[in-house]
Order: sequence, then C-alpha cells, then structure tokens
Amino acid sequence: KAGVTQTPRYLIKTRGQQVTLSCSPISGHRSVSWYQQTPGQGLQFLFEYFSETQRNKGNFPGRFSGRQFSNSRSEMNVSTLELGDSALYLCASSSGQGGAEAFFGQGTRLTVV
Amino acid sequence: DAKTTQPPSMDCAEGRAANLPCNHSTISGNEYVYWYRQIHSQGPQYIIHGLKNNETNEMASLIITEDRKSSTLILPHATLRDTAVYYCIVGGNAGGTSYGKLTFGQGTILTVHP
Repeated sequence: KAGVTQTPRYLIKTRGQQVTLSCSPISGHRSVSWYQQTPGQGLQFLFEYFSETQRNKGNFPGRFSGRQFSNSRSEMNVSTLELGDSALYLCASSSGQGGAEAFFGQGTRLTVV
Repeated sequence: DAKTTQPPSMDCAEGRAANLPCNHSTISGNEYVYWYRQIHSQGPQYIIHGLKNNETNEMASLIITEDRKSSTLILPHATLRDTAVYYCIVGGNAGGTSYGKLTFGQGTILTVHP
C-alpha cells in the first residue's frame, strides 16, 4: 500500500510570491491534515479536510488556505510569502474516524528568500 | 486539547528496553493516547495508540495507567535506528469524529547508544 506522497520535496520561493503544495493520501483515506514545522514553534496544525470540506482549522492567517479534491488529494496554498513561512510542511492522512491513526508524508521543505 | 508532559531527553543502551513516560492528567474520557516519533527532517512516524487498555504491536507496547493520567511507551529492544524525537499526543474522539488535529508538544529526544 502506497504511503502519503507530498510534492515537491523542496521549494525555494521569493518573498511576496505564492506557493502551492500537494498531498496524495493513502488510498481509501478521506481525511487530510496539514501541519507546519519550524524550529521555534514545533509542529503546528494548519487545517483538516474531509470529503472536500474543511472541518477544522488552526490558528494561522488567511494567507494559508487549502482544498481537497474528490479523489481526496489535497493542496495547500500560501500567498504573499514571508520569510517566516520557511518551514517543513507536512500532510497526514487518516480514515477520519474518531480513533484512527494518522500517517504522515515526508514533507515539503519550503525556503523563502 | 489535553496537554502532555514528557521529559526533554532520555538515553538508552542498544538492546535494552526504552521506557518513555508521558503525563496527561487532563485527558478526557473519549480521548486516545497516540505516540509518534520523528527522525531528523522526516515526517512523523505513527507508533501506537490506545484508549484504556494496554496495546502492543510490532514496534512497541503502550501501557496506560488505570486512571489514564499517564502512559509509558516501551521499545523492547532499542536499536540505534530508534534514536528520534518521541511525541506523546492526546486526541481523537472515541465513538465520534477526530477532525484531524494532533497537538504536538516538544517530545522526548531518545538517544540510543552502543
């Protein structure tokens, strides 16, 4: 069974640009969550999508957005990039049931210069 | 979300059992205890989770106290490849919907030495 796939693995962007990251969940999983990991703040929850609907959202500005497609693949977008957006962005997939474990991808390393 | 408390670091000799403690005194009745680990710059790896009963899988064992206010992750025969940051997380929703959020703390840096 294929794991969670995130693309691209590495990305360098300039301040003010926007970026789109992609996540393909494990087959059959309908929930995709996104996290940001930085050395200073650790792993922080961004949002969760289930069946194309955002069900939960963390405490991030509106520049961070996402969507989920009918095949459960998800994208997250960051507009007007700031230097502080440099981070490892991780997505996790699960069945979405109450006790289900989540499986993480390898992440996208975003560097904003 | 219930908060967890873990020691910042622990050491273990290769081949010995590694016992990682976690306090979660504010856990609610429907929340699970999850354990993940993260090796440098990789995505967190799921290890095990449980609600009330002790659990065992091919990677580890999870011991949850009867009052559910603390738990211990046991790696029975630690190897050098088990060196990682281990996160204890309380979340989920037994019998309901989890809404995806896992609240990560700082975790425990486990160093396995030869």
